Amino acid sequence: ETGVTQTPRHLVMGMTNKKSLKCEQHLGHNAMYWYKQSAKKPLELMFVYSLEERVENNSVPSRFSPECPNSSHLFLHLHTLQPEDSALYLCASSQDRWGTTMEKLFFGSGTQLSVL
Amino acid sequence: GQNIDQPTEMTATEGAIVQINCTYQTSGFNGLFWYQQHAGEAPTFLSYNVLDGLEEKGRFSSFLSRSKGYSYLLLKELQMKDSASYLCAVLDSNYQLIWGAGTKLIIKP
Repeated sequence: ETGVTQTPRHLVMGMTNKKSLKCEQHLGHNAMYWYKQSAKKPLELMFVYSLEERVENNSVPSRFSPECPNSSHLFLHLHTLQPEDSALYLCASSQDRWGTTMEKLFFGSGTQLSVL
Repeated sequence: GQNIDQPTEMTATEGAIVQINCTYQTSGFNGLFWYQQHAGEAPTFLSYNVLDGLEEKGRFSSFLSRSKGYSYLLLKELQMKDSASYLCAVLDSNYQLIWGAGTKLIIKP
């Protein structure tokens, strides 16, 4: 039961390209997240949206630009990336944003990004 | 700073038992999660502990000791499909989720 779909699964782009990652959740959740996963490193939280409003931006470079047009869709727009941005980008959702109750995350399978 | 430590890689034999440890130093504590991630796939939720003790769920159990800043995930009757990475994460006092780097578990026949 993931219910979170990410496209594309793989993406190769040059440093001057512009591309977008897409995430869609079919779970009726109110919170969505972008994470970066690099080999042998902890997951890095990039952005959090709650009820379509961005509530957290963890000092992410401006070459990453999120968009949440509705509670089911989340995009990550990429431009002028650097080779060190190569990683697995994971989208996740939860019923509500973490607060006084435990909220488990439902992840998509990710987009494996390679920047040349 | 906040830190989660877990072994980078472990190897075990099919049918055996393996324990994956996780130690943490965080600003407060609102619970500890374990997730499983098969290669190329989405991480999936395994367990959540907020009180001390052992929580059993089929072949998998998770233990927590808040006073020691310690948890472990116990996998019994190992199967080849259990080969995956296991991620430990702690929810701190600000409800920020702090992640470990994950433990890659290799199961051999």
